[in-house]
Amino acid sequence: SQKIEQNSEALNIQEGKTATLTCNYTNYSPAYLQWYRQDPGRGPVFLLLIRENEKEKRKERLKVTFDTTLKQSLFHITASQPADSATYLCALDVTGGSYIPTFGRGTSLIVHP
Amino acid sequence: DGGITQSPKYLFRKEGQNVTLSCEQNLNHDAMYWYRQDPGQGLRLIYYSQIVNDFQKGDIAEGYSVSREKKESFPLTVTSAQKNPTAFYLCASSILGTDQPQHFGDGTRLSIL
Repeated sequence: SQKIEQNSEALNIQEGKTATLTCNYTNYSPAYLQWYRQDPGRGPVFLLLIRENEKEKRKERLKVTFDTTLKQSLFHITASQPADSATYLCALDVTGGSYIPTFGRGTSLIVHP
Repeated sequence: DGGITQSPKYLFRKEGQNVTLSCEQNLNHDAMYWYRQDPGQGLRLIYYSQIVNDFQKGDIAEGYSVSREKKESFPLTVTSAQKNPTAFYLCASSILGTDQPQHFGDGTRLSIL
């Protein structure tokens, strides 16, 4: 079956460390993948987009990689801060060109001071 | 500031009652969407619209209805036919086109009395 997998267990790390979140997918060939941040009781906020022909994208302390062979995207937050604590969602187009992404369940990140 | 406004933030429905959730955007986006989010679940697409007076069913449209009479507005009605309406409802908008990020409102939490 087709699915998007994000670790359902919360990721706990110490402030200052690099957080790495994983998004795996099966049976898709997405043209792009997006990452969003969602705080409790709020709507998701778009962070980064990476396209199928891009290996890596950076924005400030954020870095996203996209490996279409492994069918995996990694989302890194360097020098993490307690304010980075949130749920992070990946989203991708399951039909390879759709403008409506399909969202994963998200992974909760908790950064301890 | 441009953005998406959802109201009310909390809504309670009695058995057999229809309720309408409001979504307004001033981003001049053509596309608008409604998602449902349950605890531990990804966002599931209910309805979407690419243009005024036109909309399409998403993955879980049964028990819901929408209208798109104005570009700025995309209200969602949760009908009495929706037997399990308790959830967090999110409205989003985007520029029409592949890989465009979605801009979300802050959601409406619907509960059953």
